[in-house]
Amino acid sequence: DMKVTQMPRYLIKRMGENVLLECGQDMSHETMYWYRQDPGLGLQLIYISYDVDSNSEGDIPKGYRVSRKKREHFSLILDSAKTNQTSVYFCASSFSGTSNTEVFFGKGTRLTVV
Amino acid sequence: GDSVTQTEGLVTLTKGLPVMLNCTYQTTYSPFLFWYVQHLNEAPKLLLKSSTDNKRTEHQGFYATLHKSSSSFHLQKSSVQLSDSALYFCALSPNNYAQGLTFGLGTRVSVFP
Repeated sequence: DMKVTQMPRYLIKRMGENVLLECGQDMSHETMYWYRQDPGLGLQLIYISYDVDSNSEGDIPKGYRVSRKKREHFSLILDSAKTNQTSVYFCASSFSGTSNTEVFFGKGTRLTVV
Repeated sequence: GDSVTQTEGLVTLTKGLPVMLNCTYQTTYSPFLFWYVQHLNEAPKLLLKSSTDNKRTEHQGFYATLHKSSSSFHLQKSSVQLSDSALYFCALSPNNYAQGLTFGLGTRVSVFP
């Protein structure tokens, strides 16, 4: 069963706390992504990972970092969360980073920073 | 940089009517265009994709044609169903390595009985 799994699905954190969002995929995909989705802003790319320890900034990387130590796992870390990081975060993966590859998404993590 | 424009934020219509969602794009590369659909509290899922100019692509009753001359990839369906109520994203992948998808802002479709 091909899927991208995100944990947790819902998370409430206080401003200044550290946040760890975890993502796994069972398709042996090389490329993984983190997006955030905000009303009126669509899906914005935070980071892209081409393979283990091969990560690249997306369009909005400020305030985030990532870790990929195994091909099937990709973590998003918020050091000292801010209220403007309240959002829905989507992890995604694809077989390769080439143009025509379908990107598979997880169900998202709804993060609220209070 | 690359960009995708979806002009309608919300489309409401009655079951059985046709729908067209607009999508235009800008890129300096030869693009792949995608339509993703996201039902409430679900993951976005691929609906259609194309890189071939002037060729209609279809899936699950939806269809779209990439027109490079007008930089457009509009999504259409002849007769919408209640289950088509969802958020629809047009997305662009430039024809180079691993930039990630660039999404439009999305169009929410609400179908009423």
